[in-house]
Amino acid sequence: DTAVSQTPKYLVTQMGNDKSIKCEQNLGHDTMYWYKQDSKKFLKIMFSYNNKELIINETVPNRFSPKSPDKAHLNLHINSLELGDSAVYFCASSQDRQNTQYFGPGTRLTVL
Amino acid sequence: QKEVEQNSGPLSVPEGAIASLNCTYSDRGSQSFFWYRQYSGKSPELIMSIYSNGDKEDGRFTAQLNKASQYVSLLIRDSQPSDSATYLCAVIGYNQGGKLIFGQGTELSVKP
Repeated sequence: DTAVSQTPKYLVTQMGNDKSIKCEQNLGHDTMYWYKQDSKKFLKIMFSYNNKELIINETVPNRFSPKSPDKAHLNLHINSLELGDSAVYFCASSQDRQNTQYFGPGTRLTVL
Repeated sequence: QKEVEQNSGPLSVPEGAIASLNCTYSDRGSQSFFWYRQYSGKSPELIMSIYSNGDKEDGRFTAQLNKASQYVSLLIRDSQPSDSATYLCAVIGYNQGGKLIFGQGTELSVKP
């Protein structure tokens, strides 16, 4: 059983397109996150939701919009994709805001 | 000053040796500290979490936390080639809503 799953695993698209990445966790956790890992492997938080409520919204272009339909799902929609959006995007979840975060397998986004 | 800073490495140790990974953080109120391991092309996986001063041991891994010095370390005893990976130090700061701040990672190479 996969604890935190993401789809798709790979995403190759053209500049200007709109794409979505989906994340689901079956751990019963209350908090979910989106992270971006750039080409230098630096991992940085983008968003966090706790019980479907947005609690962390880092300095991220508003082309990125997270949506949490329920506690177990957190999706990331990206409008008007740019070359600089190419990265690996990780979803994570935790029981609460101070505990261990468990990461999904990642989605490698390539914008051409 | 970076919020979480690690020796960038790469750190190379012979098989069977002790690998020592170091991390400093800037937020004195930080309360939760984590070491993650990330193999190339994979997602971060938790190695250790530590919340109070002192040592915490789990098998071949020992995490050490010194809040006064704002320092956290990870020791890997009897290093194995399978330990070769990037090790990420991560910290949740005080009143940060669970925002996990990562260091830039230390690449460890264990030579047979």
